[in-house]
Amino acid sequence: EAGVVQSPRYKIIEKKQPVAFWCNPISGHNTLYWYLQNLGQGPELLIRYENEEAVDDSQLPKDRFSAERLKGVDSTLKIQPAELGDSAVYLCASRNPNTGELFFGEGSRLTVL
Amino acid sequence: AQSVTQPDIHITVSEGASLELRCNYSYGATPYLFWYVQSPGQGLQLLLKYFSGDTLVQGIKGFEAEFKRSQSSFNLRKPSVHWSDAAEYFCAVEETNTGNQFYFGTGTSLTVIP
Repeated sequence: EAGVVQSPRYKIIEKKQPVAFWCNPISGHNTLYWYLQNLGQGPELLIRYENEEAVDDSQLPKDRFSAERLKGVDSTLKIQPAELGDSAVYLCASRNPNTGELFFGEGSRLTVL
Repeated sequence: AQSVTQPDIHITVSEGASLELRCNYSYGATPYLFWYVQSPGQGLQLLLKYFSGDTLVQGIKGFEAEFKRSQSSFNLRKPSVHWSDAAEYFCAVEETNTGNQFYFGTGTSLTVIP
C-alpha cells in the first residue's frame, strides 16, 4: 500500500513569492489534513477535509493561505504571498476510516528568505 | 478546547535503560489517544493507540502505553531503549464527539547515549 505522498520535499523561496504544496493521500482515505509544524513543535492543524469539503479551516490564515481538494482525492495547499514566518514543515495526513489511524507524508519543508 | 501536555521537552537515557514519556490531556469525555514517533526529516509514524478496553496497550518497536482516566494521562514506556529509538515523540488526542479532530502535544525529544 502506497503511503501519503507529498511534493515538493523542500522549497526555498523569497518572501512575497507564491508557493504550492501537493498531497496525494492513501486510496480510500476520505479525511485529509494539512498540518503546520514549526521547529521543535507539534503539528498544528491548518485545514481538514472530508472528501472534497473543508470541514474545519478555522486555523487557516485565509488572507494568504488557500487549499483545495478537487474530486476529494489530491489536495493542494497554497501560500501567496509567503512571509518569513511561514518557514516551517507542512505535513499532509490522511485517516484510515476503519482503524482511525492518521498516516503522514514526509512533509514539505519551506524556507522563506 | 482540547489540550495535550507533554511536560518533558527533552529526555536523555542510556541505551538499555527504561523509558517513560509523559502525556496529559484535557478533554471532557474519554478521547482516543495516540503516540507517534518522528525521526529527523520524516513524517510521523504511529506507535500505538487507545480507543477503549484494556488500558495497557502494546505498540510497535516494543513500546507500550497505559491510559489512566483518573490522571488524564497516557504515558509511553519502553523497558529497554535502543539507540535507534532516538527521535521526537508526540502524544495526540482525537475528539470523539465531533469526530476526526486531532490535537498534538509539543513533543518530547529523546536522546539515547551509548
